[in-house]
Amino acid sequence: DTGVSQDPRHKITKRGQNVTFRCDPISEHNRLYWYRQTLGQGPEFLTYFQNEAQLEKSRLLSDRFSAERPKGSFSTLEIQRTEQGDSAMYLCASSLGGPGTVNQPQHFGDGTRLSIL
Amino acid sequence: EDQVTQSPEALRLQEGESSSLNCSYTVSGLRGLFWYRQDPGKGPEFLFTLYSAGEEKEKERLKATLTKKESFLHITAPKPEDSATYLCAVQRGYSSASKIIFGSGTRLSIRP
Repeated sequence: DTGVSQDPRHKITKRGQNVTFRCDPISEHNRLYWYRQTLGQGPEFLTYFQNEAQLEKSRLLSDRFSAERPKGSFSTLEIQRTEQGDSAMYLCASSLGGPGTVNQPQHFGDGTRLSIL
Repeated sequence: EDQVTQSPEALRLQEGESSSLNCSYTVSGLRGLFWYRQDPGKGPEFLFTLYSAGEEKEKERLKATLTKKESFLHITAPKPEDSATYLCAVQRGYSSASKIIFGSGTRLSIRP
């Protein structure tokens, strides 16, 4: 399978716990994105990386959220001190980016569904 | 403020009954408009990119068109397997070039 891979697919945790999700992008893609999607809504942008550099963060990304892409390959998204409102699907996408490639489509994984008890 | 509005929210069709989904947008300098299909419990699956007004793209029973203010996704003689949520998204051409903004989607249901 050469698509975007996310792990775990489902995560159930108690309020106040920390959680970490992993995303493995399509291997030749240098850009990686995180989105959050709630029921009945489209995905909302959280942050993106070009190689290992985090180039943009949404206002939605509070200081409890942190994302890393240490070697420019896989990425992790950590949520500290989870709250009920964090319950959502967390989607990862990847694409080619840079001069001459700005219109390349983003390809999505199947997401991690987070449920906060 | 950049905005994407999709209509209708939900659409139920009989198999073979053609129709269109609408995506209206306001964005500073459109760089690209994207259509995705999303099945329950799955991530969005890329369908089309449109770059400029007048452009059209086709894939099987789907055809996407673009004007300066909106895009349509036409579905011809749909089959039950076309049932899904269809998402429209726009990418603007300035500093946040990589971020794409999604609409809330149209839930399409095709009855056999």
